[in-house]
Amino acid sequence: SAVISQKPSRDICQRGTSLTIQCQVDSQVTMMFWYRQQPGQSLTLIATANQGSEATYESGFVIDKFPISRPNLTFSTLTVSNMSPEDSSIYLCSVGETYNEQFFGPGTRLTVL
Amino acid sequence: GQNIDQPTEMTATEGAIVQINCTYQTSGFNGLFWYQQHAGEAPTFLSYNVLDGLEEKGRFSSFLSRSKGYSYLLLKELQMKDSASYLCALRGAGGFKTIFGAGTRLFVKA
Repeated sequence: SAVISQKPSRDICQRGTSLTIQCQVDSQVTMMFWYRQQPGQSLTLIATANQGSEATYESGFVIDKFPISRPNLTFSTLTVSNMSPEDSSIYLCSVGETYNEQFFGPGTRLTVL
Repeated sequence: GQNIDQPTEMTATEGAIVQINCTYQTSGFNGLFWYQQHAGEAPTFLSYNVLDGLEEKGRFSSFLSRSKGYSYLLLKELQMKDSASYLCALRGAGGFKTIFGAGTRLFVKA
């Protein structure tokens, strides 16, 4: 199984600012996924990030709000731009190289004031 | 699109057996995941069913019926530490995208 780390683990940010979340994997992976989990809710897929191509966003999520970088096969970043209190959430990075596996990072707990 | 339904909450007694159901509507999928998530933690993998039938793994078993659009997670010999949310998720056909249900919060009481 892949070991995934995320930075920061938590942050409190002011409205209108941006935060970049980093995801590091201990092995090379083709696809990385970014999920959001709002308080008391399940996981919602934001986008799929493949190395060497633009991220693919799910309905309701746009690149201007959630720009993603994938510079190599072990690293990705998700930026939450122009934040509002509605962006308060846990953001999770995930990887899965075969159909029967998908692993999650520990998450970044974001609070926007 | 896909739709996944799970009960919101369930309560069971320590030592008992509980079945958490998941029904879904989808045009196609590769397999179905079950995850456990304790409060404040990331989801952890429990099972992945591709074929119809029951797969057993220790105290946890997972069942899938593609024709009925139905899965369940069976937890035996419940322990207090099993109190958590249990998430049903579909892995898309032809890709690696995974869509999650809303999750079932299980409370295990003494």
